[in-house]
Amino acid sequence: GQQVMQIPQYQHVQEGEDFTTYCNSSTTLSNIQWYKQRPGGHPVFLIQLVKSGEVKKQKRLTFQFGEAKKNSSLHITATQTTDVGTYFCADGSSNTGKLIFGQGTTLQVKP
Amino acid sequence: NAGVTQTPKFQVLKTGQSMTLQCAQDMNHEYMSWYRQDPGMGLRLIHYSVGAGITDQGEVPNGYNVSRSTTEDFPLRLLSAAPSQTSVYFCASRSTSGKNIQYFGAGTRLSVL
Repeated sequence: GQQVMQIPQYQHVQEGEDFTTYCNSSTTLSNIQWYKQRPGGHPVFLIQLVKSGEVKKQKRLTFQFGEAKKNSSLHITATQTTDVGTYFCADGSSNTGKLIFGQGTTLQVKP
Repeated sequence: NAGVTQTPKFQVLKTGQSMTLQCAQDMNHEYMSWYRQDPGMGLRLIHYSVGAGITDQGEVPNGYNVSRSTTEDFPLRLLSAAPSQTSVYFCASRSTSGKNIQYFGAGTRLSVL
């Protein structure tokens, strides 16, 4: 069935370094969502991308949707310890409304 | 504003026991779903519902039952718990119109011994 592959699985960075996680699909996505889960917490919605080539920014976070709508990325500039957590992409293409999540990328930030 | 409420927060079961994880939302969302989260596996969809009286299977439905008698409630039943069902379970809801944001409950940590 439909799958989204997310890489890397883990990333350790020094505070102040940049971080990127990638989400790839073998099929065209109608939309993609990104969520953040803090350690011990639950996933929280960050953003939804719908248009081909779309770029959205939230402070130090930049989200991109590929031109072919088969991939997406989340880039964090100058990481802070508050960025620690697991970032998930989710495929919202199903006409039944279900969201299929990638495996997630867990970010650790060393102060 | 409660959002999505899950109970219990923690549960320990013995193999073969049954239990129901409760989920309720107060946002009048049509769509509700259950996920399990295991290390390295992300969030895997167990069952979902697009409205009262309608349920369907997700990626990993075996060993779990659901029902949706009201818009607000979507319980998940484990009929005969197995150690492989040790996991963190999240319930979620979303509207089928508007911004499409999915809201998650705080989760239930289940251990099956």
